[in-house]
Amino acid sequence: AQTVTQSQPEMSVQEAETVTLSCTYDTSESDYYLFWYKQPPSRQMILVIRQEAYKQQNATENRFSVNFQKAAKSFSLKISDSQLGDAAMYFCAYRTDSTGNQFYFGTGTSLTVIP
Amino acid sequence: GAVVSQHPSRVICKSGTSVKIECRSLDFQATTMFWYRQFPKQSLMLMATSNEGSKATYEQGVEKDKFLINHASLTLSTLTVTSAHPEDSSFYICSARGLAGGHPYEQYFGPGTRLTVT
Repeated sequence: AQTVTQSQPEMSVQEAETVTLSCTYDTSESDYYLFWYKQPPSRQMILVIRQEAYKQQNATENRFSVNFQKAAKSFSLKISDSQLGDAAMYFCAYRTDSTGNQFYFGTGTSLTVIP
Repeated sequence: GAVVSQHPSRVICKSGTSVKIECRSLDFQATTMFWYRQFPKQSLMLMATSNEGSKATYEQGVEKDKFLINHASLTLSTLTVTSAHPEDSSFYICSARGLAGGHPYEQYFGPGTRLTVT
């Protein structure tokens, strides 16, 4: 069974600094997708970044980048130059590479940005 | 593009009554819709998967007769909480998957519905 683990319930970072959120997952499949979603107080799920498992290159989206270690089943998110608007709940998610796919979400990390 | 809406955004109902939540894909056809439940400060838990025109597939532990899901068209899925009880109070989120362009099998999340049962 697929499981996603986020070992940091809460994290804080000074504005303009860098923070890394951890995520590990367990799967026996070789093809899958990994995601980081942001859920601000509005509760709307916002896609931050996506990584295809078959790609060795780490995904980046502006200030957001991932460190994808497939063998270690690790998928961490790095937020550079943190901004106040980055404060939110961050969920790591796994999805199979199939048509009937579903998301498996981690328990989330609450990120506080300190001015 | 790829916008998913939910209605209502929040609803309060009395114990024993039923409440319907709508999930709509506004600019694409959603072949599959997913319903999640989220308790405060917790993760999203998948309740059921619905494909247009067929019966929903429920996750283990989710009562089919209590959480009725209908996916009658390619743009609309509804979740009806029947005979609601205070323990059904939660945040319900839908997501939709379809050929919206971009990445295949991508899912798009609605803004959620907060249900409070008094």
